Amino acid sequence: GAVVSQHPSRVICKSGTSVKIECRSLDFQATTMFWYRQFPKKSLMLMATSNEGSKATYEQGVEKDKFLINHASLTLSTLTVTSAHPEDSSFYICSASGTGVNYGYTFGSGTRLTVV
Amino acid sequence: AQSVTQLDSHVSVSEGTPVLLRCNYSSSYSPSLFWYVQHPNKGLQLLLKYTSAATLVKGINGFEAEFKKSETSFHLTKPSAHMSDAAEYFCVVRLFSGGYNKLIFGAGTRLAVHP
Repeated sequence: GAVVSQHPSRVICKSGTSVKIECRSLDFQATTMFWYRQFPKKSLMLMATSNEGSKATYEQGVEKDKFLINHASLTLSTLTVTSAHPEDSSFYICSASGTGVNYGYTFGSGTRLTVV
Repeated sequence: AQSVTQLDSHVSVSEGTPVLLRCNYSSSYSPSLFWYVQHPNKGLQLLLKYTSAATLVKGINGFEAEFKKSETSFHLTKPSAHMSDAAEYFCVVRLFSGGYNKLIFGAGTRLAVHP
């Protein structure tokens, strides 16, 4: 079945630095990728949606300059948290959707970001 | 606007007893609905989905859900809970917005299973 690999699974960074999270579809072409944020014991909040080669569409209230999303190929999307602050600490999850038999939503295992 | 409401934030059952996790939806047309499960420190797993075919949907691990248009509900059930069912469950609706089909998550229900 469709597999999405998300890396790293955990990352700790210092305030003011940037962190990049990768999301790869391993065995299908992901025409659309989604990035979610999950606060402790809370639901998943959609941050942005992107198509390969296009600019991401951000949900209301999400700072596009802080959360940079790149979907450069049909198998890779990256989320870069720029100038991270402790309040950016969270669980970030990507999801990928393809076409045809791969039309569906496959989720990565998530990245726990801690900003100290 | 399409949305889902999970009526219980926590549900606790004894092993071997039935499970009922409630979800109501709001939609101006027939929605696509999903149930996902999230085990601690693990990724999201699709349990089942409704996409306007049969109203009773069978999923993995013995779960099923029934789409009831008259009640705008899509409750998740399982006849007999197992300890391994303890997890967070999300009712999800697919929304077409901004040119994309997006998944919008409910608040989640934490299921506890006691021996």
